[in-house]
Amino acid sequence: AQKITQTQPGMFVQEKEAVTLDCTYDTSDPSYGLFWYKQPSSGEMIFLIYQGSYDQQNATEGRYSLNFQKARKSANLVISASQLGDSAMYFCAMREPNTGNQFYFGTGTSLTVIP
Amino acid sequence: DSGVTQTPKHLITATGQRVTLRCSPRSGDLSVYWYQQSLDQGLQFLIQYYNGEERAKGNILERFSAQQFPDLHSELNLSSLELGDSALYFCASSLSAGEPSYGYTFGSGTRLTVV
Repeated sequence: AQKITQTQPGMFVQEKEAVTLDCTYDTSDPSYGLFWYKQPSSGEMIFLIYQGSYDQQNATEGRYSLNFQKARKSANLVISASQLGDSAMYFCAMREPNTGNQFYFGTGTSLTVIP
Repeated sequence: DSGVTQTPKHLITATGQRVTLRCSPRSGDLSVYWYQQSLDQGLQFLIQYYNGEERAKGNILERFSAQQFPDLHSELNLSSLELGDSALYFCASSLSAGEPSYGYTFGSGTRLTVV
């Protein structure tokens, strides 16, 4: 079974609008970390936001927020007030201590912001 | 600059050849991870080192090997290269090997093209 599932290969959003990128995960470990990374066309991986499995509140970092629904095992990324520079690939990832803390990445969502 | 340095940035080589990719982790980070990003396989974990010792192994081919040196820099050796080895190879580092909350800092990657 896939550890991380991103079901949206591509998304479009109007500039200044909000967009939600979906991510579901699969783990039996009670302790885990969920991350979102941005990969622009230049290729580097940029950390956006982190959510711990024991965190009670949803994580926020500027225009990024993580909608964490533990019972549903979902960790959707919400980008508010989209900007043209947000156009990129977005990867959801999970770390589990019991598997050596490697990252499991989803297949990514390509986001295009339309002016 | 993320603090993780990968060299070279680009590498073009012929099938059957051997190459070495180098990674210097962020100052203070003890753990180094190698990932391969290809179009068909996505982001795949290859191997992790922590303070000089191999900690976890992922989908790393037998033709590939890695090590982490006393100064904590790491090298990924790829031999008997095939066309399918063409990919973006990322190195990432983190302070700890055992805490899921510790995010990675990624290097900018080495783009390997096998011709």
